Amino acid sequence: DIVMTQSPDSLTVSLGERATINCKSSQSVLYSSNNKNYLAWYQQKPGQPPKLLIYWASSRESGVPDRFSGSGSGTDFTLTISSLQAEDVAVYYCQQYYSTPYTFGQGTKLEIK
Amino acid sequence: EVQLVESGGGLVQPGGSLRLSCAASGFTFSSYWMNWVRQAPGKGLEWVANIKQDGSEKYYVDSVKGRFTISRDNAKNSLYLQMNSLRAEDTAVYYCAREHSYGFAWGQGTLVTVSS
Repeated sequence: DIVMTQSPDSLTVSLGERATINCKSSQSVLYSSNNKNYLAWYQQKPGQPPKLLIYWASSRESGVPDRFSGSGSGTDFTLTISSLQAEDVAVYYCQQYYSTPYTFGQGTKLEIK
Repeated sequence: EVQLVESGGGLVQPGGSLRLSCAASGFTFSSYWMNWVRQAPGKGLEWVANIKQDGSEKYYVDSVKGRFTISRDNAKNSLYLQMNSLRAEDTAVYYCAREHSYGFAWGQGTLVTVSS
């Protein structure tokens, strides 16, 4: 099974500042046939289902603000929020959908300072 | 617009059974792999199972193998999860999710509570 490890577990950032969340997979999630990383980022607010933010490690889902960006390849990935807004308070998860069992990181709780 | 509506959750005793359903609309259901993902209260996300478009392939997380069965009815645009021999640790919100190469689309979830 591919183990996904996020860091940090929690993060406190001031409004307007940058937030960075890291995700590391125990094996590469790069699909060689199409050169795509099968890595997604989700945002989850209390009482709501997860919302897809980023797929293929760096492609932004339609309707997601451009302050959200993803980067990385192979086993190391990063979600960056360039200028934190109040509505970005949530738990963020990375997920590999390269091979079953699909696995998630443990989550990173993002709060406002 | 993709819509996934789960139902069938509730309170069940340890050792009991429950069948979850997911009604899909807004997309061609028969063209997608479908998944169940769960989230225990206050915990993270755990993938449970998925099923191929025609139902010919199914995969499960080890902790539910032999107890849970995923199935689908493409004529009814519906996904199911039959859960037997339920345990306290199966208590969670269960989400139905459409799988694509660009990630998952999620339903709102249904709560399953296993308790005596």
